[in-house]
Amino acid sequence: QQQVKQSPQSLIVQKGGISIINCAYENTAFDYFPWYQQFPGKGPALLIAIRPDVSEKKEGRFTISFNKSAKQFSLHIMDSQPGDSATYFCAASGSGNTGKLIFGQGTTLQVKP
Amino acid sequence: EPEVTQTPSHQVTQMGQEVILRCVPISNHLYFYWYRQILGQKVEFLVSFYNNEISEKSEIFDDQFSVERPDGSNFTLKIRSTKLEDSAMYFCASSENPGAAETQYFGPGTRLLVL
Repeated sequence: QQQVKQSPQSLIVQKGGISIINCAYENTAFDYFPWYQQFPGKGPALLIAIRPDVSEKKEGRFTISFNKSAKQFSLHIMDSQPGDSATYFCAASGSGNTGKLIFGQGTTLQVKP
Repeated sequence: EPEVTQTPSHQVTQMGQEVILRCVPISNHLYFYWYRQILGQKVEFLVSFYNNEISEKSEIFDDQFSVERPDGSNFTLKIRSTKLEDSAMYFCASSENPGAAETQYFGPGTRLLVL
């Protein structure tokens, strides 16, 4: 119930292509869904986040699509660049809790020039 | 830009030894967290801390672990008697407000290796 399942585990995309990473959850009490980006040797950094009252959120080249009925959300990276090569984690958190983030397994993205 | 800092960046210790990992959260933040990431695995929540109390802890956070805010700036994680399986990257995070929808800012981590 507390799990967040993320796929794929790794992804290779050509420069300029679209990278898509998917996550699914079971706990309907989750109401905050952030995506974190992590470069080697660094801590995770918030990339973009969404609440379930909207179905899509876009910030620059990064878009979250959210499907509440399916309990799924995804990250789309448009016009992927080599500098986007990193590990991406989806996460979820529920209202009323202490801010504990439940992370997905992570996706290692490689964008080839 | 304010950031969370952690020391040391790397720590090697013998099994059974005590280690203290240190964090300096962002100065106006009131909510603090420790997470760990075993190599190649996902980031896992350990504990959240507010007002000098543990708010929530995971089942990983057993009696061997403790947290403390010894002064106005530091936030520490102590592992009393380290085990081999404690080898991981430990991340400290902080947020201005509690709960969901509040951005947590992560430090760069401390890589702990238990031999």
